[in-house]
Amino acid sequence: EVQLVESGGGLVKPGGSLRLSCAASGFTFSSYSMNWVRQAPGKGLEWVSSISSSSSYIYYADSVKGRFTISRDNAKNSLYLQMNSLRAEDTAVYYCARGMATDYWGQGTLVTVSS
Amino acid sequence: IVLTQSPGTLSLSPGERATLSCRASQSISAGYLAWHQQRPGQAPRLLIYGASIRATGIPDRFSGSGSGTDFTLTISRLEPEDFAVYYCQYYRSSPYSFGQGTKLEIK
Repeated sequence: EVQLVESGGGLVKPGGSLRLSCAASGFTFSSYSMNWVRQAPGKGLEWVSSISSSSSYIYYADSVKGRFTISRDNAKNSLYLQMNSLRAEDTAVYYCARGMATDYWGQGTLVTVSS
Repeated sequence: IVLTQSPGTLSLSPGERATLSCRASQSISAGYLAWHQQRPGQAPRLLIYGASIRATGIPDRFSGSGSGTDFTLTISRLEPEDFAVYYCQYYRSSPYSFGQGTKLEIK
């Protein structure tokens, strides 16, 4: 069974940093691209970042470019999102999702940016 | 690519047919158009990819169609668990944009 479990969310002050993790199991992690998608409270889905299976290709939404860094460790079956210079508008549930078509999603981790 | 979904809210009764629309700001490859369902308090789940291919375990009352700029998700006979928010997504190239969503509510 494919499982994606996010962790690392929490309350952080504006300008602060946070590192999210996504633990993957039930599939060959190193064969899939991975994504972070977020959802602000009461809002729709917003794609944040993607990374190819071997980390050769990395993409970011304009809204996070220069502040967020996506990475992965295929030996640990893990995906990461380093978030720096956080703003109030980054407050959201952050989901990791598998593959280009985002065919499996984790349950999400809540990031709240507030003073 | 900007994806615009309509209507914003659709009010129907169980057993009725639902038709949801997703329009792209320019012609896109149907091979990279997906539909996701999100029930309240839950993570999204993939329903359709490649515009018309049902994901694993998705009932056949869900179907997708379309090409060019216009795509449709059809639910043939609504079940109570189908009342949710639906998002289309284009995933061929960055940015992998989502539509703003259509809320399907019980009439």
